[in-house]
Amino acid sequence: GAVVSQHPSWVICKSGTSVKIECRSLDFQATTMFWYRQFPKQSLMLMATSNEGSKATYEQGVEKDKFLINHASLTLSTLTVTSAHPEDSSFYICSARREGLYEQYFGPGTRLTVT
Amino acid sequence: QKEVEQNSGPLSVPEGAIASLNCTYSDRGSQSFFWYRQYSGKSPELIMSIYSNGDKEDGRFTAQLNKASQYVSLLIRDSQPSDSATYLCRPGGYNKLIFGAGTRLAVHP
Repeated sequence: GAVVSQHPSWVICKSGTSVKIECRSLDFQATTMFWYRQFPKQSLMLMATSNEGSKATYEQGVEKDKFLINHASLTLSTLTVTSAHPEDSSFYICSARREGLYEQYFGPGTRLTVT
Repeated sequence: QKEVEQNSGPLSVPEGAIASLNCTYSDRGSQSFFWYRQYSGKSPELIMSIYSNGDKEDGRFTAQLNKASQYVSLLIRDSQPSDSATYLCRPGGYNKLIFGAGTRLAVHP
């Protein structure tokens, strides 16, 4: 149990375009999902926390108008990188957590390259 | 002081040896502790969780927690080359989701 999927696994886009990344919990209901970003050889950086049916909470320094997060159901959260630029190229990873439990389970990640 | 501190490594151990990975944390209120393994280019994978002081064993892995010292460690017995990865520590309560920077472990044949 506790399987989290992400789609796409990798994406290349042109500068100025938007990209949507999906995160799904496949065998459990995730009341809370988290989005992380990881640059090469660096640690995971939490970008935002999203709770089903409410607005996401963004970490300091993360532009909420650039990284749009929607958590419309208990099994799906989406991250849209708007007007992407080369500096947004990174490994984006989501994780999900069941209500009341501490463990979080990670998706396989999405590698975004902006040209 | 950082919330979570780990030695970045690399920690190099020979195959078959015990690898010892350490993590210190600043929040005395932390009640749950997790170790994740992250292979290069992949996302983290939960390998151990520990909630009480003392040791918790799972196969070749043993997590050790000392809340008074705000210290949690992970021992890997009979280390294998496939254990080579970055190990991330995450202490914290329900709403704390900060990871340590991770310790890179290299197990050489």
